[in-house]
Amino acid sequence: AQSVTQLDSQVPVFEEAPVELRCNYSSSVSVYLFWYVQYPNQGLQLLLKYLSGSTLVESINGFEAEFNKSQTSFHLRKPSVHISDTAEYFCAVRRGSQGNLIFGKGTKLSVKP
Amino acid sequence: DTAVSQTPKYLVTQMGNDKSIKCEQNLGHDTMYWYKQDSKKFLKIMFSYNNKELIINETVPNRFSPKSPDKAHLNLHINSLELGDSAVYFCASSQATGNFAEQYFGPGTRLTVT
Repeated sequence: AQSVTQLDSQVPVFEEAPVELRCNYSSSVSVYLFWYVQYPNQGLQLLLKYLSGSTLVESINGFEAEFNKSQTSFHLRKPSVHISDTAEYFCAVRRGSQGNLIFGKGTKLSVKP
Repeated sequence: DTAVSQTPKYLVTQMGNDKSIKCEQNLGHDTMYWYKQDSKKFLKIMFSYNNKELIINETVPNRFSPKSPDKAHLNLHINSLELGDSAVYFCASSQATGNFAEQYFGPGTRLTVT
């Protein structure tokens, strides 16, 4: 069975500091990996995804994530965060063409001035 | 324009009641989903519908029944509500099942059962 582990439930950082939100997955087959963001009182929005090709994927607002097959990880990073990045971040994995999205338990990123 | 919308946004009701949550998408997608997010923010898929056919049911109690009057709507009906049903329910849609089917989520419906 697949599972997704987000190692940190909460990550407080100061504005303009770098941040890394960790995500590990377990699967015996090829997977497709996603990061979703949930701003307060809103639904989930896709931040970025890894399907194939380059292992480093980027979002339009400065986040990036690197697929590491040997470590079964897909950590999310941003070199300098803004107050507006405060949100809940969910890592998700999808197995194969008909697989469900399996979500991690989320990491709450709190950016302080 | 709202891509995936849900009504109501908040729903407070008593145990034993029957309630429905509506979902509509205007993206022309052919697959819709319902997810449950519990108090610990854990998200789990409940159902997905493709062309009016249920294709995934993740061991959800049969008190929950998805109803799809057309491709743009997937409503969630819940019978005999229980305290444990309190959660945020998210609707989502995608173009098709498959590796590249990005899911678009609605804003959620917060259900509180008292």
